[in-house]
Amino acid sequence: AQSVTQPDIHITVSEGASLELRCNYSYGATPYLFWYVQSPGQGLQLLLKYFSGDTLVQGIKGFEAEFKRSQSSFNLRKPSVHWSDAAEYFCAVGPFSGGYNKLIFGAGTRLAVHP
Amino acid sequence: DAEITQSPRHKITETGRQVTLACHQTWNHNNMFWYRQDLGHGLRLIHYSYGVQDTNKGEVSDGYSVSRSNTEDLPLTLESAASSQTSVYFCASRADENTEAFFGQGTRLTVV
Repeated sequence: AQSVTQPDIHITVSEGASLELRCNYSYGATPYLFWYVQSPGQGLQLLLKYFSGDTLVQGIKGFEAEFKRSQSSFNLRKPSVHWSDAAEYFCAVGPFSGGYNKLIFGAGTRLAVHP
Repeated sequence: DAEITQSPRHKITETGRQVTLACHQTWNHNNMFWYRQDLGHGLRLIHYSYGVQDTNKGEVSDGYSVSRSNTEDLPLTLESAASSQTSVYFCASRADENTEAFFGQGTRLTVV
């Protein structure tokens, strides 16, 4: 069965430090990959997505992610974190065989930013 | 601007009652989804629909139902609310597999 793993439940970084959030997926083919961010009390906002082509994708708010097929990973990075980046981050994959285009989400990583 | 709205934003109900959460999107997307969000589980898919009159069960569909009578709406019904259904519920829509999903603001449901 398809699955998404985000190994880190909580991460704390200092403002200005670099950030990497991990995401691993289990799927028989190259999936479509997404990172979403959820601010407290809000819905989910798309940060970036990978469908094909260049494996390093740029997103909003200075985020980027790299697809590594050999590692089944799609890690999210940011070179310098801002206090406003404190939020919960979700990795998602889709679609799947059979033509379905539902998204399957990881459990999320909650990011705290120290001043 | 096109959007997706959920109502109500907050709901408290009693065990055993039937509850319906509304989801309305104005993008004219065929694909609509309901997720529940619980600590440690992320978002889990409850039901989804690929178009009018189409509904499908997700990974946590027990105790829930949906109907799709038009493109814009996918209401989620809890037939007999249970305390285990206390959660935050998100509705999403998506044009097709090559596009992102757009999410509503969520409905916080408490079953007492």
